[in-house]
Amino acid sequence: DSGVTQTPKHLITATGQRVTLRCSPRSGDLSVYWYQQSLDQGLQFLIQYYNGEERAKGNILERFSAQQFPDLHSELNLSSLELGDSALYFCASSAQAGRLNEKLFFGSGTQLSVL
Amino acid sequence: QQPVQSPQAVILREGEDAVINCSSSKALYSVHWYRQKHGEAPVFLMILLKGGEQKGHEKISASFNEKKQQSSLYLTASQLSYSGTYFCGTEGGAQKLVFGQGTRLTINP
Repeated sequence: DSGVTQTPKHLITATGQRVTLRCSPRSGDLSVYWYQQSLDQGLQFLIQYYNGEERAKGNILERFSAQQFPDLHSELNLSSLELGDSALYFCASSAQAGRLNEKLFFGSGTQLSVL
Repeated sequence: QQPVQSPQAVILREGEDAVINCSSSKALYSVHWYRQKHGEAPVFLMILLKGGEQKGHEKISASFNEKKQQSSLYLTASQLSYSGTYFCGTEGGAQKLVFGQGTRLTINP
């Protein structure tokens, strides 16, 4: 158990809908990262937050948004969903400084299926 | 930019050795290695820092060639438990950790 909690584990929805994925980082971790993993694909970086502020952005679609709340949990919002958005979405957290020489702890992921 | 991993897939028999390579088109200060088993989350193996080498596991080690902007992961005397997809991660600028496409390692008895 990495200590990173993601909910829900599975999500099935229809095209055009909006969903929210939730992530609670490890106790004490201030950085949260979101990654998308499509079938047999690598881990695509979406966005990173550090202590409530956006720190880095990847190839995140405009239909996607995220935020990190004062209690440090993070939510990834996906709207106007398309079939191609079906993927496994991982959240990861790292220790307080959020530097790239720190290891990431990954949650178990949310499997999103858009039908 | 995303690092490039090679090979894309490797099939070994238990006890054989494997090398997985990771290269970047930009200067690197650190390289991360993670392993993901099927249906599970990626798990940290080790980080290699510029000017140093950090070994995370007994029979899994790695090297980091800063000048060539490359890293290699070495798995010796592979065990069935080593099966999975290995990802290297490098800085993508501005605190982004970007991963390669992964190398799928299959260990057969």
